[in-house]
Amino acid sequence: QVQLEQSGAEVKKPGASVKVSCKASGYTFTGYYMHWVRQAPGQGLEWMGWINGNNGDTNYAQKFQGRVIMTRDTSNSTAYMEVTRLRSDDTAMYYCARDIRRGSASYIDTWGQGTLVTVSS
Amino acid sequence: DIQMTQSPSSLSASVGDRVTITCRASQSINNYLNWYQQKPGNAPKLLIYAASSLQSGVPSRFSGSGSGTDFTLTISSLQPEDFATYYCQQSYSTPRSFGQGTNLEIK
Repeated sequence: QVQLEQSGAEVKKPGASVKVSCKASGYTFTGYYMHWVRQAPGQGLEWMGWINGNNGDTNYAQKFQGRVIMTRDTSNSTAYMEVTRLRSDDTAMYYCARDIRRGSASYIDTWGQGTLVTVSS
Repeated sequence: DIQMTQSPSSLSASVGDRVTITCRASQSINNYLNWYQQKPGNAPKLLIYAASSLQSGVPSRFSGSGSGTDFTLTISSLQPEDFATYYCQQSYSTPRSFGQGTNLEIK
């Protein structure tokens, strides 16, 4: 079955960087886009961007341009999302999520379990 | 960027009730609208894609409708396991914006 397994919780200081991994299994990694979505404590879902599993092309929400880097390692079926220059308001649960295309429709059918990133001095 | 607005933000209802949640897009998104359910401590789960297509395994009491800018998610007869937060998301363009969520609580 399709699974996305994320790396463990992280605690970082303001100004540091964090890199979250998302290992995919049960499907052909290069055939799908991977979204990254975050959720601050008690808040809603925020789309950060996506990466094309085939060619590595990325599309970031403007809010994260220049501070977030999405990469992938096809040999390991793993997507990565790095946030640099961390601030306290980056404290959130970070999810990877697989994109599905059906005709012209696009939706997320599988989510990782989430990685909690806490930014605190 | 397309803004997605859900109403209400919170809703109290009883088991067996029929419930409707609305999602409005700031511009036309055709039928490129998905609905997700999230329970505390869990990742979201897909319910409806392309405005009205029921994801495999999702109970038929969930249904979606709409096109253009106005969409609805309806639960025909609330079950205890349906109390959760619901999000709409547009897939017409990037950024793939979500609504702010509707928290469905037990009355």
